[in-house]
Formats: sequence, structure tokens, C-alpha cells
Amino acid sequence: NAGVTQTPKFQVLKTGQSMTLQCAQDMNHNSMYWYRQDPGMGLRLIYYSASEGTTDKGEVPNGYNVSRLNKREFSLRLESAAPSQTSVYFCASSWTSGGLQETQYFGPGTRLLVL
Amino acid sequence: SQQGEEDPQALSIQEGENATMNCSYKTSINNLQWYRQNSGRGLVHLILIRSNEREKHSGRLRVTLDTSKKSSSLLITASRAADTASYFCATGTDSWGKLQFGAGTQVVVTP
Repeated sequence: NAGVTQTPKFQVLKTGQSMTLQCAQDMNHNSMYWYRQDPGMGLRLIYYSASEGTTDKGEVPNGYNVSRLNKREFSLRLESAAPSQTSVYFCASSWTSGGLQETQYFGPGTRLLVL
Repeated sequence: SQQGEEDPQALSIQEGENATMNCSYKTSINNLQWYRQNSGRGLVHLILIRSNEREKHSGRLRVTLDTSKKSSSLLITASRAADTASYFCATGTDSWGKLQFGAGTQVVVTP
């Protein structure tokens, strides 16, 4: 099992450009998440998807959109990148059922620099 | 706003010593999870402890949870240089599995 995979590993954008970060998991998890991590800080939730076909905002959703393409894949899109979106982006997945949450497994991250 | 706050922010110890770090949180939780992050890498899950549990062990790791004090601790016994990393606590407060992370404790273990 590959676990949670993310592409690309690194990306440099100019202000105003758009891009999509891809995430896939092979653990048959129903829930998937996108976080960002800024220097010296913990992770902050951008968007999450509790099941295929549903998405919802997290703590810092402004400037982002997401798509839960199927059970395996959850993408994060920056429509018009801003320097404030320079960060490391992590995708995660877990199994949640009946209010019970299991371990979240994280991908290796995507380092994004917006100039 | 951050739900969990780790203390201390940084910890420097020698190999063989124990390392203890604490996490305090503000609201009721369903579970609390501890993660390790090596510099520039992804997060590795260490332990998940549910709100009805008081203590869990995994190898050299021991986690306690005191819901009355809204706090948790992570103890690493007989530390090794490979334990050098940042350690984060994350609290789960709803049925959707969302986590709120603290800013982390940076641990440096010197040989």
C-alpha cells in the first residue's frame, strides 16, 4: 500500500496563477482532509470531505476550492495564487463512522512558493 | 485559533534521558492524537487516545489524558538521536474527524 500520495512535491507559482494539488489514498478511507502548515506552526484545516460527494470548509478555506473526485481522490485548487498561500500543504485520510474517528494518515506534503 | 497548545515549545535532552511534553486544550474532545514530524517531512502518527481512556502505551511512548484538566502528556523514555523531531498534539472534537493542531514541541536529542 502506498498510503496517502500527493503531487507535486514542489511548485513555484507567480501571483495570480492557478494550480491543483492532487491527493490519493489507497486505504479505503471515507474521510479526507487538506491542511496547510506555515513555518513554526501546527497544521490548519482548509477543507475536508466526510464522504464521497461531500465537502465542507475548515478553519482557513478562503482562496481554495476542493473536489472529491471519488473515494480515493481529493484535490485542492488555488484559483488565483497569492503570496500568503506560500506554505506546505498536507493531505490526510481517515476512517470515521458513527462519530468514531480513527487515526489520520498524512501524505508527504507539497511545498508551494508563490512569488 | 488553536485548540491545543504544547508545552514546552522546545526541549533539548541527551540520549538516554526521558522527554516529557504537555498539551492543553480548551473544549471537550472525542479523542487526542500525537504526531511526530521530522524536519521537512510529513507527519507520522504516534498514538490516538479517546476521551474515555486515561493512558496508552506504544513502545517507548506513553500518553496520558486528563479530561478534567483538559490536558495530555507524551513521555518518550530512553530517548535516542532519532527521536529528534517536532511533536504535535491534535484534538478531535466532532464526528467528522476534523483535527485541530497545536504549534508543536521541538525536541532535540544529542548523542
